[in-house]
Amino acid sequence: KNQVEQSPQSLIILEGKNCTLQCNYTVSPFSNLRWYKQDTGRGPVSLTIMTFSENTKSNGRYTATLDADTKQSSLHITASQLSDSASYICVVSLNNAGNMLTFGGGTRLMVKP
Amino acid sequence: GAVVSQHPSWVICKSGTSVKIECRSLDFQATTMFWYRQFPKQSLMLMATSNEGSKATYEQGVEKDKFLINHASLTLSTLTVTSAHPEDSSFYICSARVVYSGPSRYNEQFFGPGTRLTVL
Repeated sequence: KNQVEQSPQSLIILEGKNCTLQCNYTVSPFSNLRWYKQDTGRGPVSLTIMTFSENTKSNGRYTATLDADTKQSSLHITASQLSDSASYICVVSLNNAGNMLTFGGGTRLMVKP
Repeated sequence: GAVVSQHPSWVICKSGTSVKIECRSLDFQATTMFWYRQFPKQSLMLMATSNEGSKATYEQGVEKDKFLINHASLTLSTLTVTSAHPEDSSFYICSARVVYSGPSRYNEQFFGPGTRLTVL
C-alpha cells in the first residue's frame, strides 16, 4: 500500500529557531515529492518539488532534501517566523501526469514569540 | 504560480438543501481539476477527478449522485453537494492541473483556497 508518513505530528518552536520536519514514503512508482504549506482555513501552497534525481531544493528559508534510496525527505525551516505557523504536507506523486498524489498526514507547526 | 479560486469561501446551509461550490482557474486553462475533502486535523482526501467535457471519475466510497461535478469549460468546475447533511460539513478544496508543454519532467496541481461547508 502506498503510504506517506510524516513526523512529528505537531511541533512548537520559538520564533527565530530552526526546525526539521520528516517524511517517509513507501510509494511506488515514484515520480516526484512535494512539500506544501497549508495555513489554517486555506488551500495548500507549493513550497518545493523534487524528482528522484534531486537531493535538495531551496525556497527562501525552506530547504527540502530527498534521499530516494531510503525513501526519506525532510523540510528544514531556518530562522522561523510567526507566519510559518501552519500545517506542512508531504505529497508524493506516482507519475509525471500529476494526477496521482499520495498525501501525508501533515505536521502542524506553531511558532511562538 | 497559477491561480485557482473558489467560491464561496464559506457557506452555512440547512440540512436537506443543496450547495454549489465553484472552482476557477484564473490565468490558465485546466482540462483536469480535482476535488478534495478535508476534515479537521486530517489531510486532504481525493473525492473525484473532473475532466472537461466528460464525466467525473469518483474515488471509491464517494457517492456520485450526492456530489455532482460539472466541468463545462476549461476554467470552471463545480461541485454540488445535494441534500446536504451535517456529516457533509467539511473543508472542500479543488485543484487544477497545469500541463507543461515540451520536455517537462512533471505536471503540477495548484490548489484553491478552499470552501468551508457547515450544514446545520
